[in-house]
Amino acid sequence: EIVMTQSPATLSVSPGERATLSCRASQSVNSNLAWYQQKPGQAPRLLIYGASTRATGIPARFSGSGSGTEFTLTISSLQSEDFAVYYCQQYNYEYTFGQGTKLEIK
Amino acid sequence: EVQLVESGGGLVQPGGSLRLSCAASGFTFSTYSMNWVRQAPGKGLEWVSYISSSVSPIYYADSVKGRFTISRDNAKNSLFLQMNSLRAEDTAIYYCARGSIAAAGTTANDYWGQGTLVTVSS
Repeated sequence: EIVMTQSPATLSVSPGERATLSCRASQSVNSNLAWYQQKPGQAPRLLIYGASTRATGIPARFSGSGSGTEFTLTISSLQSEDFAVYYCQQYNYEYTFGQGTKLEIK
Repeated sequence: EVQLVESGGGLVQPGGSLRLSCAASGFTFSTYSMNWVRQAPGKGLEWVSYISSSVSPIYYADSVKGRFTISRDNAKNSLFLQMNSLRAEDTAIYYCARGSIAAAGTTANDYWGQGTLVTVSS
């Protein structure tokens, strides 16, 4: 089983600032990595797939990078609606989610 | 418009069974892989099972292997999850989710239903 580890568990950032979230895989997943956003009471929303491709309708302030075992989600200028929980997911071998990073208002 | 609507959740005793359904519309269901993903109360996302567009291959998380069975009826645009020998730790919201690329293997999940709650308790 591929283990996905996200850091930090909680990130406190002020609106308008940049947020950087990390995700590490226990073995290479190539670029088969997705990022999701989840708000309370809602289903997850796909943000990024293929490690760096934005899904349909996702604002340009969201960007993904990395390959192999190290990945990053960057939100360039935080808006109020961006405060949520973010999950990475590998789909190189079956599926595994990271434990999530809660992005909260500082 | 793509829609996924889960049903079949509810309260069940430990050791019992439940069958979840996911009704799909707004896309050619038979050409997309599908997944079940669950989320225990206050916890993170856990992938449960995958089924390809053509039914094979099928994958399961170790936590449900031998107890859960995924299936699909492409003629009825429906996805199913038969859950047997349920345990308290299976308590969660169960989401169905679509693979993002038609006729591909494992891919990201671009559309999700709103979920159905399964509670395993005596």
